[in-house]
Amino acid sequence: QSVLTQPPSASGTPGQRVTISCSGSRSNIGSNTINWYQQLPGTAPRVVIYSNNQRPLGVPDRFSGSKSGTSASLAISGLQSEDEADYYCAAWDVTLNGVVFGGGTRLTV
Amino acid sequence: QVQLQESGPGLVKPSETLSLTCIVSGGSISSYYWSWIRQSPGKGLEWIGYMYDSGSTNYNPSLKSRVTISVDTSKLQFSLKLSSVTAADTAVYYCARGRRFGEFLGWFDPWGQGTLVTVSS
Repeated sequence: QSVLTQPPSASGTPGQRVTISCSGSRSNIGSNTINWYQQLPGTAPRVVIYSNNQRPLGVPDRFSGSKSGTSASLAISGLQSEDEADYYCAAWDVTLNGVVFGGGTRLTV
Repeated sequence: QVQLQESGPGLVKPSETLSLTCIVSGGSISSYYWSWIRQSPGKGLEWIGYMYDSGSTNYNPSLKSRVTISVDTSKLQFSLKLSSVTAADTAVYYCARGRRFGEFLGWFDPWGQGTLVTVSS
């Protein structure tokens, strides 16, 4: 049972917009920033959104993040086949005094 | 750009100690949270712990009694030791550089490619 809650799966067709949600509590999302990681099949995760809504260099602007209260979401617009991956949210938890991850969402395009 | 590479045995016997090293290339080892994260087969990500450059450590409470993370600044590498392993510790182990945000660890970037460690006799 993960501290952060994500839907196990999501899907969309090429060109569509899809959102992935992440729900937490006041001790994690409610008091710290959220980060999102993409894990392509057979590879290591990479950060696609950090500090709620910042995109690292090299991440397409089709990826965006938002946070409200104790929930956050990752949006991918103009969906492409190469976006098919597992996506994980993560945040610092002040009660557990450590990083907590969501269970991951498998995106199918 | 900074790159990380894990190394260590791919097979460890039950009750023994798992030892992994992460070599840092292309950047400084100062002012970051040098971290380990694992992923059991077919499962999600689990944060194991970090050492901050001042030498302070912080571990996942569920693993704290068995984990030691250390940094060797002269060799530009950091290490993970996990004692008394069982089959439940079988996982892909990733090293990662944690970036500070405010008072705490923010995000992990970059990650190593990961190394599979199997616990079996």
